[in-house]
Amino acid sequence: NAGVTQTPKFRILKIGQSMTLQCTQDMNHNYMYWYRQDPGMGLKLIYYSVGAGITDKGEVPNGYNVSRSTTEDFPLRLELAAPSQTSVYFCASSYPLNTEAFFGQGTRLTVV
Amino acid sequence: GIQVEQSPPDLILQEGANSTLRCNFSDSVNNLQWFHQNPWGQLINLFYIPSGTKQNGRLSATTVATERYSLLYISSSQTTDSGVYFCAVDNTNAGKSTFGDGTTLTVKP
Repeated sequence: NAGVTQTPKFRILKIGQSMTLQCTQDMNHNYMYWYRQDPGMGLKLIYYSVGAGITDKGEVPNGYNVSRSTTEDFPLRLELAAPSQTSVYFCASSYPLNTEAFFGQGTRLTVV
Repeated sequence: GIQVEQSPPDLILQEGANSTLRCNFSDSVNNLQWFHQNPWGQLINLFYIPSGTKQNGRLSATTVATERYSLLYISSSQTTDSGVYFCAVDNTNAGKSTFGDGTTLTVKP
């Protein structure tokens, strides 16, 4: 049972480039989330999904897009990368509501 | 939105000492978790504890939902306990957690 798997683990982007952070879970969880963690801070919610085909904005959605075509996958798309998007990104999932969330290993992204 | 405050922000202990970490939140919650982020950045679930008391080895947690706080107790601390401890709460119907800024624990040998 792999849990929540994120790829890549590390990435360096140039300003203006685009990329997709991949997230997949094998626990059949309905709920999936993307968070970012800036140095010395807690995690902030970017986007979340309560099921396939349903996504919604979190606290800090600007500069990002998501899709949820399957229960297992929840990719996060960065368009026109900016230095302010340098952060560690975590994907998480949970099921059913009001149970614990499980987190992936994180993706460390640097935009230069 | 809901506010989450963790204290203290930093804590330095000698190995073997006990500690208490606190999480205050500004509204009623239906979900509360404690996480340990190790020096490699990995988030490890410690407790799912929206109310009541739980224990797991040297760690235990208590949430008093009516008074809007949770406590994480670490007994007989070890150097491997070092890292950042986060409290995350949810008062939505979509499982969206709000994290505190964490307590950075350093355990010295």
